[in-house]
Amino acid sequence: DAKTTQPTSMDCAEGRAANLPCNHSTISGNEYVYWYRQIHSQGPQYIIHGLKNNETNEMASLIITEDRKSSTLILPHATLRDTAVYYCIAPNFGNEKLTFGTGTRLTIIP
Amino acid sequence: SAVISQKPSRDICQRGTSLTIQCQVDSQVTMMFWYRQQPGQSLTLIATANQGSEATYESGFVIDKFPISRPNLTFSTLTVSNMSPEDSSIYLCSVLTGVGDSTDTQYFGPGTRLTVL
Repeated sequence: DAKTTQPTSMDCAEGRAANLPCNHSTISGNEYVYWYRQIHSQGPQYIIHGLKNNETNEMASLIITEDRKSSTLILPHATLRDTAVYYCIAPNFGNEKLTFGTGTRLTIIP
Repeated sequence: SAVISQKPSRDICQRGTSLTIQCQVDSQVTMMFWYRQQPGQSLTLIATANQGSEATYESGFVIDKFPISRPNLTFSTLTVSNMSPEDSSIYLCSVLTGVGDSTDTQYFGPGTRLTVL
């Protein structure tokens, strides 16, 4: 897997956009970027993934830089239920083996 | 997506005993995996459960300690054998859905919280 680097923690006010950065400077051309989140003591929840184009779904948007060395997950209107640990992963076996780092602990503040 | 259930959701066990965790998915999937999450830590892949053949274990995990079965495309079990307090963790099942292209996505079950006394 390409090594990913994320901030340890972030706060965001409820109702505002939460922007979670991830650096993956060693990513190779065919490695996707996946985002998962884990709400306390639950199984990780898939959020979104992308290769080089920006992606959007009902949960979030994923912005990948043109050089693919970094990306940003955007939660457009954060709610208290978005408080979780967010993991950015770039697996090198397709999506078969996921290596979870320490992630970013996002706290949504009322 | 896939709906995944695990049984039991939690258990408290005595050291030296074994526990079998079940994972059931609502549709046939190509790949199933087992992860462990120790207290305060991130997830670590234990093994890939292969249908009809022996599981593929990651470094640091062995079949004698974590025997895995996968009799069909929707079900797998993980046994934690001869347990010690160090085995206290959340054990998670995951499945890979898709057709072998960029749409493939891995989904996780709710986890089994194991406490060994």
